[in-house]
Amino acid sequence: GQNIDQPTEMTATEGAIVQINCTYQTSGFNGLFWYQQHAGEAPTFLSYNVLDGLEEKGRFSSFLSRSKGYSYLLLKELQMKDSASYLCAVLDSNYQLIWGAGTKLIIKP
Amino acid sequence: DTAVSQTPKYLVTQMGNDKSIKCEQNLGHDTMYWYKQDSKKFLKIMFSYNNKELIINETVPNRFSPKSPDKAHLNLHINSLELGDSAVYFCASSQAWDGATDTQYFGPGTRLTVL
Repeated sequence: GQNIDQPTEMTATEGAIVQINCTYQTSGFNGLFWYQQHAGEAPTFLSYNVLDGLEEKGRFSSFLSRSKGYSYLLLKELQMKDSASYLCAVLDSNYQLIWGAGTKLIIKP
Repeated sequence: DTAVSQTPKYLVTQMGNDKSIKCEQNLGHDTMYWYKQDSKKFLKIMFSYNNKELIINETVPNRFSPKSPDKAHLNLHINSLELGDSAVYFCASSQAWDGATDTQYFGPGTRLTVL
């Protein structure tokens, strides 16, 4: 079966750095997405990785290791507005997005 | 200026009723999707249409019937609503159906409550 694993919840302090991990087992791989979802709102796109390595975009970076079936989202200089759920999703061989359950990130002052 | 819009935002109805949720995108995208997000926050694909043609039809009850009158619209009709249908339904669109580097843009969601 296809599986995406992420921690259910994480807590971090304003101004700090947090890393949210995602591991996957899917039938094929055509890229991995990270989405942010604030409570009661729609998911919004953060990043896309299809090659191994680190992609940096401002305060957010995303890393991929295809051989390990592993990705992480790194958030730096955390702000209160970063409190949200972070969803990992993998595009499988049929180009279907398989979604993780999301990691709820709580930022404390 | 809304990219992907859904109506209604909230829908409260009795078991056994029939209801529809509408979705429109003004991004010129070729592909549209319906997702269901349950109380555990799992996003599950239900349907995907590319240029008005059905390309993904996950295992959902046949009480759910999508309709795409044109590539900018994908409506979801639900017959004989059940308690388990209560969830948030998201519409999304992307430029191409293979979704390789194309982001999916989500609508604001429709919170359906079946009493």
